[in-house]
Amino acid sequence: GAGVSQSPSNKVTEKGKDVELRCDPISGHTALYWYRQSLGQGLEFLIYFQGNSAPDKSGLPSDRFSAERTGGSVSTLTIQRTQQEDSAVYLCASSLGGTAYEQYFGPGTRLTVT
Amino acid sequence: QKEVEQNSGPLSVPEGAIASLNCTYSDRGSQSFFWYRQYSGKSPELIMSIYSNGDKEDGRFTAQLNKASQYVSLLIRDSQPSDSATYLCAVSMGKLVFGTGTRLLVSP
Repeated sequence: GAGVSQSPSNKVTEKGKDVELRCDPISGHTALYWYRQSLGQGLEFLIYFQGNSAPDKSGLPSDRFSAERTGGSVSTLTIQRTQQEDSAVYLCASSLGGTAYEQYFGPGTRLTVT
Repeated sequence: QKEVEQNSGPLSVPEGAIASLNCTYSDRGSQSFFWYRQYSGKSPELIMSIYSNGDKEDGRFTAQLNKASQYVSLLIRDSQPSDSATYLCAVSMGKLVFGTGTRLLVSP
């Protein structure tokens, strides 16, 4: 079946502009996660959606970052007033249930802020 | 602070040898453990999940879990050059916490 998809695959933006990154999880997966991976670094948790529960936003690095999940499926991560330190690969993952379940990753969006 | 520790490597093994990758974690109550493989420039790919103490085998891969020692490992038998990648250990601690990964290099 289809895996997790993300768009765009690459995004170059100027400092100060807003960007939107999209994630389409595996069909039937109720949980969706966003992570960030800077060059040569580990995975940094950003936000977690589980069903209709309030999202766990504890990993968002600043109030410039926000995310929503519409209809329990597609999610959009928005970064406002981008900074150069926001340059990274943004990864989305989904799972059948909560964090005890196997997570499957999308291909990622490489964001470059110039 | 909830942590997952891995040796960053690189771990170098010759083709055909057994590669042993290790991971320790801080939360004694953790119940779910995962190994991911990440090739350079690619996203993490799930290799194995393990939930109970002992060994779990899948092809050339064996995951080992010892909850009392808070230790999980991944053995790769008959290592191939195509196994060269970074291996990420992940532990469910409320949220999934990832180690920084061990880079494995398999030389022909």
